[in-house]
Amino acid sequence: DQQVKQNSPSLSVQEGRISILNCDYTNSMFDYFLWYKKYPAEGPTFLISISSIKDKNEDGRFTVFLNKSAKHLSLHIVPSQPGDSAVYFCAPAGGTSYGKLTFGQGTILTVHP
Amino acid sequence: NAGVMQNPRHLVRRRGQEARLRCSPMKGHSHVYWYRQLPEEGLKFMVYLQKENIIDESGMPKERFSAEFPKEGPSILRIQQVVRGDSAAYFCASSPSGTGGNYGYTFGSGTRLTVV
Repeated sequence: DQQVKQNSPSLSVQEGRISILNCDYTNSMFDYFLWYKKYPAEGPTFLISISSIKDKNEDGRFTVFLNKSAKHLSLHIVPSQPGDSAVYFCAPAGGTSYGKLTFGQGTILTVHP
Repeated sequence: NAGVMQNPRHLVRRRGQEARLRCSPMKGHSHVYWYRQLPEEGLKFMVYLQKENIIDESGMPKERFSAEFPKEGPSILRIQQVVRGDSAAYFCASSPSGTGGNYGYTFGSGTRLTVV
């Protein structure tokens, strides 16, 4: 049962442009949504999160949007930089999954100079 | 102010041997989580522990796998009689609490287990 889906395995953008990473979920009990960034041979690093009571959270170049009715969230990075090239994971938490994160499959972002 | 420390970083075991993976949480964190990442997949939850207690082991395989977080010392993920399918990256995360709102998880760099 794939509760969290990131349907784009990879995304390639030009430096300075916007990167949009998408995530769909099925469990309506999730109450917190986190995004992690991961480089090869390293652990995931927390990027940004959003509570289910909000529809937008912004932190510098990173903005996460949540559409609860559609069970969809997206991460916007603008402007994109080559150092943003990594794997991005959507990881909701809460509800019956209390205390643990449910990760999507990840999207490989490549930002070209 | 060390982060989550996992060791070893790389572990090679022959089929049938035992693998022991260690995780020291961040200072002040009393909740530990283990995740496994198989090749080409996302991280999958395995087990959630507090000191001396297993809170949620719903992601642990029924056989050969066990985890502990003793009163003193690191958390240990133990895999007995390893098979090739156990080859994966194992990540540990810790948090100051397991309660709601901002899940302040911090991940370690992982242990890459290779079974030959």
